[in-house]
Amino acid sequence: DTVLTQSPALAVSPGERVTISCRASESVSTGMHWYQQKPGQQPKLLIYGASNLESGVPARFSGSGSGTDFTLTIDPVEADDTATYFCQQSWNDPTFGSGTKLEIK
Amino acid sequence: QVNLLQSGAALVKPGASVKLSCKASGYTFTDYYIHWVKQSHGKSLEWIGYINPNSGYTNYNEKFKSKATLTVDKSTNTAYMELSRLTSEDSATYYCTRGPYWFAYWGQGTLVTVSS
Repeated sequence: DTVLTQSPALAVSPGERVTISCRASESVSTGMHWYQQKPGQQPKLLIYGASNLESGVPARFSGSGSGTDFTLTIDPVEADDTATYFCQQSWNDPTFGSGTKLEIK
Repeated sequence: QVNLLQSGAALVKPGASVKLSCKASGYTFTDYYIHWVKQSHGKSLEWIGYINPNSGYTNYNEKFKSKATLTVDKSTNTAYMELSRLTSEDSATYYCTRGPYWFAYWGQGTLVTVSS
């Protein structure tokens, strides 16, 4: 299985720029996607194909990377962005990262 | 608009089976794979497997091969997942989601609680 490693938690202030990283145990090319999940809700797709913004998602969200290292950037962060963010690869059978819990101070 | 409507919460006894449903609407059901994902309380997401509604072809995560069985009913645009020989480790929220590679549409989730 392709293992995806994410840092467990981050805390930032509104208006700041935050980067959330995801490292794959092997190359997944650009087959990396990002989701936001708030408590009690299903995951919401933010970015697909490493850098493509899903329709309806604010342009404050962006993604970059290829191969094994990927980043989700939120700039500027808003209070409503408090959530857990997951990466998911589709190069092999799908796997998800363990999630990064983002707190807005 | 695309919608995936899942069946309601289930309370099941250890050793029993449960069959979850996921009714699709707003698109051509046979055009997209349906994937199933497990989320244990407060934890990450685990891919269980997918089914091709057109052919019935399935692909499972090795971990769930003896646990989950995926089927579809094309006449009602509904996907099913049966979980067998349930234990406390199977207590979780289960989601259906539309593939094939990234998951733009998700059901609301079905909470399965295994308890005597």
